[in-house]
Amino acid sequence: SQKIEQNSEALNIQEGKTATLTCNYTNYSPAYLQWYRQDPGRGPVFLLLIRENEKEKRKERLKVTFDTTLKQSLFHITASQPADSATYLCALEPGSARQLTFGSGTQLTVLP
Amino acid sequence: KAGVTQTPRYLIKTRGQQVTLSCSPISGHRSVSWYQQTPGQGLQFLFEYFSETQRNKGNFPGRFSGRQFSNSRSEMNVSTLELGDSALYLCASSLDTQGGNTEAFFGQGTRLTVV
Repeated sequence: SQKIEQNSEALNIQEGKTATLTCNYTNYSPAYLQWYRQDPGRGPVFLLLIRENEKEKRKERLKVTFDTTLKQSLFHITASQPADSATYLCALEPGSARQLTFGSGTQLTVLP
Repeated sequence: KAGVTQTPRYLIKTRGQQVTLSCSPISGHRSVSWYQQTPGQGLQFLFEYFSETQRNKGNFPGRFSGRQFSNSRSEMNVSTLELGDSALYLCASSLDTQGGNTEAFFGQGTRLTVV
């Protein structure tokens, strides 16, 4: 069955360091992979989308890679700040349907 | 431009009752999706509507249903509520553009508690 795994439930890092979050998937051939941020009690907020023919995408301090051979995406936040503390979710979409399948999320805490 | 609006924000219902949740998408967005979020199962897709038609459906029992109106507003209904239906219900709207996919814009959700 299709499975999406995010490497850890929680990740603590020091302010200023780079946070790296991992998303692995199996039995899936997604056309797109997306990353969202979710704060407690709120809906997810879109951060980045990467297509299967793209290796890397950047937006300000964020960078996403997509390796369809390894079936893995890495999400990096450089120069992390306490305000980056949140749960980060990866989501896959087959491309033929408007239907996101989400990973369980990684709760990131950036310590001052 | 206004974001996705979900009403109500909080609801408490009794087992066996039914509930209707409402979602107003971003103006111009014709695709509306619904998700259930629980601590145990995470975010799970319920269904998606486009131009008043259900296009995709997740793996939920028939007690969960929805509809979309001509102005793209959507409602979801849960009948015969069970304790396990307690969750945050999220609505997301998106542009449905040909040739590429786009991000989903989520509302703040409706927190449903079944007692």
